[in-house]
Amino acid sequence: QVQLQESGPGLVKPSQTLSLTCTVSGDSISSGGHYWSWIRQPAGKGLEWIGHVYTSGTTNYNPSLKSRVTISVDTSKNQFSLNLSSVTAADTAVYYCARVGFSSGCLSPWGQGALVTVSS
Amino acid sequence: DIQMTQSPSTLSASVGDRVTITCRASQSIGSWLAWYQQKPGKAPKLLIYKASSLESGVPSRLSGSGSGTEFTLTISSLQPDDSATYYCQQYNSYWGLTFGGGTKVEIK
Repeated sequence: QVQLQESGPGLVKPSQTLSLTCTVSGDSISSGGHYWSWIRQPAGKGLEWIGHVYTSGTTNYNPSLKSRVTISVDTSKNQFSLNLSSVTAADTAVYYCARVGFSSGCLSPWGQGALVTVSS
Repeated sequence: DIQMTQSPSTLSASVGDRVTITCRASQSIGSWLAWYQQKPGKAPKLLIYKASSLESGVPSRLSGSGSGTEFTLTISSLQPDDSATYYCQQYNSYWGLTFGGGTKVEIK
């Protein structure tokens, strides 16, 4: 059973960088066949795709966030990470990591989500 | 990029009703369309992928159809457990992923 788990600080100051890590179990990021993705959801609002990374390190980002986002992969730890720079209160959200299938283009499974609040 | 427009934004129906949610893409996406169910405080759950393929374990009263730019999610007989918010999502190898705005389904 594939499981994903987000981890990282729950509170980030404005203008700083938000950093989260997703640890994957039950599947190997190195095996290929999937992208590894980050999605966020502000309280009471819809879902926003942030971007994804492939095992090779190739990335694809949401154009609206591209200038501030870096997603990287550490195959030795079976983890992938999100860095979002210059955060503001508008970046406060639950952040999810998820696996994207090449053959389906859909997100499954998802992590449970991590609430990140941007506040001084 | 590709925009996804979902309607209605909310709907209220009775147990046993047939319910349909529509998702329209700003350009053709073939069958690269998925549907998710999200309950409060939980991560979204995959229901349908490739527009009409039912994810394992999902009740058969849920079904998806469509291709190109117009897609539907149908619940043939609404049950209390179906009270949730539903999202469509497209996948494009160049533009990435985009979600619809969501449809909140309430039981009367």
